[in-house]
Amino acid sequence: AQSVSQHNHHVILSEAASLELGCNYSYGGTVNLFWYVQYPGQHLQLLLKYFSGDPLVKGIKGFEAEFIKSKFSFNLRKPSVQWSDTAEYFCAVNLGGATNKLIFGTGTLLAVQP
Amino acid sequence: DTGVSQDPRHKITKRGQNVTFRCDPISEHNRLYWYRQTLGQGPEFLTYFQNEAQLEKSRLLSDRFSAERPKGSFSTLEIQRTEQGDSAMYLCASSLAGATTEAFFGQGTRLTVV
Repeated sequence: AQSVSQHNHHVILSEAASLELGCNYSYGGTVNLFWYVQYPGQHLQLLLKYFSGDPLVKGIKGFEAEFIKSKFSFNLRKPSVQWSDTAEYFCAVNLGGATNKLIFGTGTLLAVQP
Repeated sequence: DTGVSQDPRHKITKRGQNVTFRCDPISEHNRLYWYRQTLGQGPEFLTYFQNEAQLEKSRLLSDRFSAERPKGSFSTLEIQRTEQGDSAMYLCASSLAGATTEAFFGQGTRLTVV
């Protein structure tokens, strides 16, 4: 079955540190890739998405992600985190087709210390 | 607020009782999804509607669960004879049709079965 793995469950960083969150998926066909963020007490929001084209995608709030097809990876990066980036981050894939249902990873809880 | 809204936000119920949750999607969205999220996990797909038609149900959706979307607008998710294992956050999302469209999530209904 298709799955998404996020290897970092909890990450603690100081402000201005660089961030990289890992995401790997298991599916050999074409996928659409997403990163969602959930700030404390808020709903899931889309950070960025990849469907095709340039494998380096830029999202909101200075986040970017790189799709590496050979590694089945879609890692999220930010060069300098802020306290306001404290949130839970979810990687997700959909396989296209009729449903477009999302398959989520288990999430990474990021705490940024001021 | 023109986002996805869910009601109630919290529900505490005794084991064996029936509960019903409501989701109001973004008005022009013809696709509606239900997901379930338990502690430490990412959201898991439950079911999906295109307009009023329920087109896919996950194996997670036991016979005690039923979902409807009359007239292709709001949706309800009912759980009959609740069990403690049903305790979770139930998320609703909506989107336009198309492989590359974004799903917008509501804030969820947190169910606690005591």
